[in-house]
Amino acid sequence: DTEVTQTPKHLVMGMTNKKSLKCEQHMGHRAMYWYKQKAKKPPELMFVYSYEKLSINESVPSRFSPECPNSSLLNLHLHALQPEDSALYLCASSQTNGVYGYTFGSGTRLTVV
Amino acid sequence: DQQVKQNSPSLSVQEGRISILNCDYTNSMFDYFLWYKKYPAEGPTFLISISSIKDKNEDGRFTVFLNKSAKHLSLHIVPSQPGDSAVYFCAASVTSGTYKYIFGTGTRLKVLA
Repeated sequence: DTEVTQTPKHLVMGMTNKKSLKCEQHMGHRAMYWYKQKAKKPPELMFVYSYEKLSINESVPSRFSPECPNSSLLNLHLHALQPEDSALYLCASSQTNGVYGYTFGSGTRLTVV
Repeated sequence: DQQVKQNSPSLSVQEGRISILNCDYTNSMFDYFLWYKKYPAEGPTFLISISSIKDKNEDGRFTVFLNKSAKHLSLHIVPSQPGDSAVYFCAASVTSGTYKYIFGTGTRLKVLA
């Protein structure tokens, strides 16, 4: 298995909703990442987990809450989002520290209404 | 401050000809570089990488050149094929600790049949 699987592929949520994005990989990668990509912009790093521990938080607002229950799973819990949070959310994984780059999932297209 | 820049948002090339995609960076501490390709509705896929100890890396039709003094790298695709039509991102990182890749803004390549 050489894939990173993200669910759901599309999500529409209201500003008072609570939802979660899920990411799964079975490549034995020990680092997992959340990136956010707005239209015509580069992917921007949000969080990095290394060996199931949060190692980087790029000053992301607390309405985004990551969770890494085990080495294969990464969640992003969403609460009280704003319309400007609408974006493509990409999950990625890598061997240890990611020197050889990441394997990305196909993303979750999030729309906040 | 955009540390990694791709100044050409789009590029059109005839099938069979060479495609050259450029990337400039400002942080002299970057020492590992990647190119990713992204099709619509998919996550970025890793293409080729180069370490700062090299000035060239080749993989089939893809060659990446690095000019450290100019803080510039380029991706050459020869010969270009219609299936190469995608958005190409360069990414750069400092190889210490957890690798945090900074992505460029992307160049949309269109290969004309």
